[in-house]
Amino acid sequence: RKEVEQDPGPFNVPEGATVAFNCTYSNSASQSFFWYRQDCRKEPKLLMSVYSSGNEDGRFTAQLNRASQYISLLIRDSKLSDSATYLCVVNIRGSNYKLTFGKGTLLTVNP
Amino acid sequence: GAVVSQHPSRVICKSGTSVKIECRSLDFQATTMFWYRQFPKKSLMLMATSNEGSKATYEQGVEKDKFLINHASLTLSTLTVTSAHPEDSSFYICSARDPRGSYEQYFGPGTRLTVT
Repeated sequence: RKEVEQDPGPFNVPEGATVAFNCTYSNSASQSFFWYRQDCRKEPKLLMSVYSSGNEDGRFTAQLNRASQYISLLIRDSKLSDSATYLCVVNIRGSNYKLTFGKGTLLTVNP
Repeated sequence: GAVVSQHPSRVICKSGTSVKIECRSLDFQATTMFWYRQFPKKSLMLMATSNEGSKATYEQGVEKDKFLINHASLTLSTLTVTSAHPEDSSFYICSARDPRGSYEQYFGPGTRLTVT
């Protein structure tokens, strides 16, 4: 079983749609959680950290359920510029700061 | 967020030559940097963890004599691909952890290596 599993995608949505990404992690020692976005042929960029209480940054909302080992990212009112691959990322306790990446879910927002 | 630079952004070299890639943290001191490789349409693959002042820690299956890592200062790590072959052609990305933060990493813009 992969350590971090994401929706395989791809997702194609119209502008203005709400889209949700789901992610599960298998290692109960996972302690820090992030969403990154990666544009085609570019480096990953940190979108937001994910906290147990849930957190919101503008149109983006991230949720964490430790009991279910589940992370989500919700994008509201999607824009063309949101088109990218979204990576679910965790840090596992004792891994010397290494990050474990999901395979990513490709989102295309269409006009 | 923190800023990480990488140089060169693109390099084409002949088979058998060596290529050095630099990764710098510009506004913080990074005791730990990471080197990744990404093939087209594939996930990021961690190659090694670069620790300032000590030897790098390589992931399973990554040849340490082929991918030489040096982290001589708190703001610079280098990756040298020795005796490059066409199958080494890939997107190499470094990242650094800002010790003022938590476990998030900030990535350099990547180096696209093509070996002919």
